[in-house]
Amino acid sequence: GQQLNQSPQSMFIQEGEDVSMNCTSSSIFNTWLWYKQDPGEGPVLLIALYKAGELTSNGRLTAQFGITRKDSFLNISASIPSDVGIYFCAAIQGAQKLVFGQGTRLTINP
Amino acid sequence: ETGVTQTPRHLVMGMTNKKSLKCEQHLGHNAMYWYKQSAKKPLELMFVYSLEERVENNSVPSRFSPECPNSSHLFLHLHTLQPEDSALYLCASSQVGGRENEQFFGPGTRLTVL
Repeated sequence: GQQLNQSPQSMFIQEGEDVSMNCTSSSIFNTWLWYKQDPGEGPVLLIALYKAGELTSNGRLTAQFGITRKDSFLNISASIPSDVGIYFCAAIQGAQKLVFGQGTRLTINP
Repeated sequence: ETGVTQTPRHLVMGMTNKKSLKCEQHLGHNAMYWYKQSAKKPLELMFVYSLEERVENNSVPSRFSPECPNSSHLFLHLHTLQPEDSALYLCASSQVGGRENEQFFGPGTRLTVL
């Protein structure tokens, strides 16, 4: 089936540093989504991307839909303690069915 | 209540028990989903209901039985589960015809099967 390869699997950074993570696939997708999951909670949608090449920001978060439609990245600038959590990419080719990456666990040292 | 709610938040059950998970969405959406999240594995889609009809069943074992009585409520009935079924079960909803790819998740039910 379709798979998303998300990297890195984990990151340990200092507060204030920038963060970058990405997802790649051998399949073409029409939509890329980025979610964040806090411990004991469900994933929360951060950014949705609907057009190849699209660059979208949400506060300190910036995500891009790769021009080949096979990848996407998420950047977090000037990280703060509340950025800690697991970040998931997700992609969809048809209606109503998301495929998820394995997640990137972000840990921040104060 | 707002968003997507799930009850119970935690459940411990034996392999011979029967239990049900409940999900309710307060967003006016018309599609609902069940996902399974296991440690170190991507979220796995289990069931999709669109306009109260099941449209997706991802080869889920019959010991999991979904029910969608209306567009706001979704249940997952569990019986004779196995220890490997222990996981976080997440419910989500979206609006078909809108930005339907934007699924909104509940907090999940942490299930432990003994």
